[in-house]
Amino acid sequence: QSALTQPRSVSGSPGQSVTISCTGTSSDFGGYDYVSWYQHHPGKAPKLMIYDVSKRPSGVPDRFSGSNSGNTASLTISGLQAEDEADYYCCSYAGSYTWVFGGGTKLTVL
Amino acid sequence: QLQLQESGPGLVKPSETLSLTCTVSGGSIRSSSYYWAWIRQPPGKGLEWIGSIYYSGRTYYTPSLKSRVTISVDTSKNQFSLKLNSVTAADTAMYYCARRHANDRYFDLWGRGTLVTVSS
Repeated sequence: QSALTQPRSVSGSPGQSVTISCTGTSSDFGGYDYVSWYQHHPGKAPKLMIYDVSKRPSGVPDRFSGSNSGNTASLTISGLQAEDEADYYCCSYAGSYTWVFGGGTKLTVL
Repeated sequence: QLQLQESGPGLVKPSETLSLTCTVSGGSIRSSSYYWAWIRQPPGKGLEWIGSIYYSGRTYYTPSLKSRVTISVDTSKNQFSLKLNSVTAADTAMYYCARRHANDRYFDLWGRGTLVTVSS
């Protein structure tokens, strides 16, 4: 298992949309639709934003959406807000009760 | 509301054993519904899943650390622990504990993390 590949940084202006990609191999994703995304503000606990590729936990705004295609998963944030500025990590279940994370993407709201 | 809190030494010498504890408050670690995990983040790098444990003691570890890692649970103290032996500077990281529902494949609750530096 190797880390999933994410862009180091993305940016957007308030109100715009941004998409963060997460690329791996077929073994990283294990053939499962078990991709999750976490938002991390430094000094705070990481927060689950998307699970099972595209599902949102209760309380997460519908501005956050997830999708996947082949060996690339994506997190899209629409209607960017200042509080969305954070680090975002993708994660995939790789089978046999193991998980692999991405390297993280720093989102800057301009 | 259930919370997770990591604790342990912030500085460990090379070749020694890193020991951390995660205290679960507001709920029971004995619940058959959850697995409990350790995840780390070296400075400037991404997250790495280390391993998970069930209240019964069943464990799963990442292959790259399996030879050096032990995760255990103490249901009487509502805690689970991480031991990583023969540490090097590469083990310097923020260490997080997290929770996963047994039927799910994501981590729905995390602690704030604790920084461990490996240095002489």
